[in-house]
Amino acid sequence: AQSVAQPEDQVNVAEGNPLTVKCTYSVSGNPYLFWYVQYPNRGLQFLLKYITGDNLVKGSYGFEAEFNKSQTSFHLKKPSALVSDSALYFCAVRGKWGNFNKFYFGSGTKLNVKP
Amino acid sequence: SQTIHQWPATLVQPVGSPLSLECTVEGTSNPNLYWYRQAAGRGLQLLFYSVGIGQISSEVPQNLSASRPQDRQFILSSKKLLLSDSGFYLCAWGQGMDEQYFGPGTRLTVT
Repeated sequence: AQSVAQPEDQVNVAEGNPLTVKCTYSVSGNPYLFWYVQYPNRGLQFLLKYITGDNLVKGSYGFEAEFNKSQTSFHLKKPSALVSDSALYFCAVRGKWGNFNKFYFGSGTKLNVKP
Repeated sequence: SQTIHQWPATLVQPVGSPLSLECTVEGTSNPNLYWYRQAAGRGLQLLFYSVGIGQISSEVPQNLSASRPQDRQFILSSKKLLLSDSGFYLCAWGQGMDEQYFGPGTRLTVT
C-alpha cells in the first residue's frame, strides 16, 4: 500500500527563521514524491517533486526538499520564512503498479509564519 | 501553456437537488483527470479519476458519479445531494510521470 504521513498538524515559525515541514512515506521501490501548497479557498499549487537523481530538490518560491531513503522521508524546507508562506502544505506520493495514475496525499500541515 | 477551469466557483443547493460540476483543461491532449473533495479545509479525498474518454474509476461508493464526454472535459454529478456532500471540490489533471495540476475549486454548500 502507498501512503504519506504528515506528523504535524501545524508548524509555527518566526519570519526570517528556517522552516521545515515533515513528510514520511510508505511505498515499495523508488517513490515519486511531491509537495503542494494551498492558500485559503484556492486550488493546490505544485511546489516541487522528486523522481530520481539528487536527493535535494529545489522548487518554487525558494522551497526545497530533501529525499532520505533510509528514513523514508521527504521534508520540505526553506532557509528563511516569509509571512506570505503561511498556508496549508501537502505531501503526496504517486501510486505504484496498478495504482500508478493515483496520487496519495497527506493530511496537510498548516504553516504559520509570524512577523 | 495549459490551464484548467472549474465552474461554478461557489454553489448553494438544497438537499435532494441535482448537481453538475464541470472541469475543462486547455493546452494538452489525453490528460488524466481527477475529482477530489476536501472537507473542512484539510485532507483530500480522491473521488474519481479518468485516463481517457468514457473511462472512469470510482474510488469511493457514494451518490456521486463522474463522466468524461470529451477528452478535456470532466463532469461530476449527483441526482440527489446529501448534506454530507458539502465541501470543496477540486479537479486536477496530469500526464505521464508528471505532477498533477489543480483547478481553482468549487465550494459546494448543501442546505
